Order: sequence, then structure tokens, then C-alpha cells
Amino acid sequence: GAGVSQSPSNKVTEKGKDVELRCDPISGHTALYWYRQRLGQGLEFLIYFQGNSAPDKSGLPSDRFSAERTGESVSTLTIQRTQQEDSAVYLCASSSDKRLAFFGQGTRLTVV
Amino acid sequence: GDSVTQMEGPVTLSEEAFLTINCTYTATGYPSLFWYVQYPGEGLQLLLKATKADDKGSNKGFEATYRKETTSFHLEKGSVQVSDSAVYFCALRGANNNAGNMLTFGGGTRLMVKP
Repeated sequence: GAGVSQSPSNKVTEKGKDVELRCDPISGHTALYWYRQRLGQGLEFLIYFQGNSAPDKSGLPSDRFSAERTGESVSTLTIQRTQQEDSAVYLCASSSDKRLAFFGQGTRLTVV
Repeated sequence: GDSVTQMEGPVTLSEEAFLTINCTYTATGYPSLFWYVQYPGEGLQLLLKATKADDKGSNKGFEATYRKETTSFHLEKGSVQVSDSAVYFCALRGANNNAGNMLTFGGGTRLMVKP
């Protein structure tokens, strides 16, 4: 596609349930990032994939969070046993250039 | 590690006022610098960038100059419009860091422009 696509755009889930967020990067982009943006706060780095290298998971806030990416295609971010503090907009970005990233529209997650 | 500090908002201006949003950074080497904008209900969009010292990025009437000596990348616009109301994020990508091409963001500054 023309840009980074994320789905769903909105997700409301009950506390304790698992959720899966999807990101379709721009075709050919080797780098993929997940960020989180809580209400009224800045962007928080979660995880970074670069080609076939081991991902940088240093930003994942707890072991309830995990992400996968197959090759240079789709990535899924999974949050297990969701908590209300997980409510945020989850942003995905992809990049082919060392210095430029393109962002998706984000998935707004609300845990009730 | 790398860090970005930008002025806290909200910044409230009248239409046609001059805008400055300050951004300073800490990084080793020569990072690339960016401003991203997030309009209400939308995702992040790249607004402008500068990849080396003294470069000036510009787009949609916004400008920012990469100042190595003051480690700053302040965003300016001569005459803001109501449609500029958004959250603005300053970011850098370091030349070398553990996450390769990872972006480091500031906290964001909300701009509200009143007619």
C-alpha cells in the first residue's frame, strides 16, 4: 500500500483479555517500530525490528507485551491480560532510510 | 543516552501570531533532527527534517534550523492558522545507538490557535 496501515483503528477490550494489534509497513521497508502514546503524554518506544536481526525489545514495559514480525512484512503486537494502564494509542512506523520513518494512523486501545 | 527536550504546552496563540516551539537535544555524534505533527484524531506525520548542522528544514510555512552549537532545533512559523492546531513532536535519530535507526521523541507540545 501507499502508507503504513494499522488495524484495528479502535479496540475496546475488557480488563484481563488479550489483544493483538497489526501493522502493515510500507513495502520494502526493512525497519519497523512500535510506539505507545498515552493520553496527554509523549511517545514511548516499545520495540524495533530491523531486517532479520534480533529485535530491540528494550522498550517493552512488561512481559505481557510481545511483538512478532515475519521477514520484512506484517508485524503484530500482542498484549496479554490487558490492564487499564495499557489504554493508549499504539503507533507503528516503518523505514527504509536510516533517517526517515513513516507512521501509521495508530490503534486506539481502551481497556475497560 | 540520547534525549529530546521540548517546551511544555499547551501553547495558545491567536491567528496570524508568530510561533516558536523550543526543542533541544542531547546526542553523541551528528544526529538527524525531525519535527512531527499530530492533528486531532490522526496519526503522526513528518513535518520537516534536517540531517546536518546549519540545515534548515521547511514545510507548510514552518521552519527549523539545526543548530549544533546550541544543540537546538526550534520550530517557527511566522503566521499561524487555526488549522495548525495540533501536537508537535521534536525527534532525533542518532548516528549510532543500540536500536540502530530508532527515533527518540520529545514529550510533545500542544498548539491551540484561536480565530
